[in-house]
Amino acid sequence: EIVLTQSPGTLSLSPGERATLSCRASQSVRSNYLAWYQQKPGQAPRLLIYGTSSRATGIPDRFSGSGSGTDFAFTISRLEPEDFAVYYCQQYGSSPLTFGGGTKVESK
Amino acid sequence: QVQLVQSGAEVKKPGASVTVSCKASGYTFTNYYMHWVRQAPGQGLEWVGVINPSSGATSYAQKFQGRVTMTRDTSTTTFYMELSSLRSDDTAVYYCARGLRVAVEWGYFDYWGQGTLVTVSS
Repeated sequence: EIVLTQSPGTLSLSPGERATLSCRASQSVRSNYLAWYQQKPGQAPRLLIYGTSSRATGIPDRFSGSGSGTDFAFTISRLEPEDFAVYYCQQYGSSPLTFGGGTKVESK
Repeated sequence: QVQLVQSGAEVKKPGASVTVSCKASGYTFTNYYMHWVRQAPGQGLEWVGVINPSSGATSYAQKFQGRVTMTRDTSTTTFYMELSSLRSDDTAVYYCARGLRVAVEWGYFDYWGQGTLVTVSS
């Protein structure tokens, strides 16, 4: 099973700042099949990024992903008020599919 | 538009079983994998398993093997997840989430149901 470790656990930033989140895998993710989701309280997760760096339909270009192998990153170039939420990475290259523990992006 | 509408909240006693449904619409039912993901209160996301709606074939995370059964009804475009021998640590929100086309990979999850809270308590 691939274990995904996200860091930091919490990121305290102000609107307009840049957010960079990390997701490290315990072994190489096949074909860089890594996705990122945003979840707000009481809501289902929303797909933001798939295939490490491809934005899902309707996702603004301030959201981006990068990386390969075992090290992946997710960036929000300029935080908007609606971006404060929990973000999860997920690998779908091998079974079982696994998620990271999440990074909470909170308003400073 | 794609919609996944789940059944309502459930309260069950330890040892009982629960069935959660997920009504799919807005796309060709048999073309896309359907996954189930759960989230315990205040915790992260956990993959439970996947069903191929075309063949009915399933694959479950090892920790749920023997306790979970995923099925589908193509006539009503509805998916079902049954979890048996419930324990208190099965208390969670259970989501259905659409994967990729069945000819491709299980994939990531582009559409999610609204979630169903299952509470296990004596």
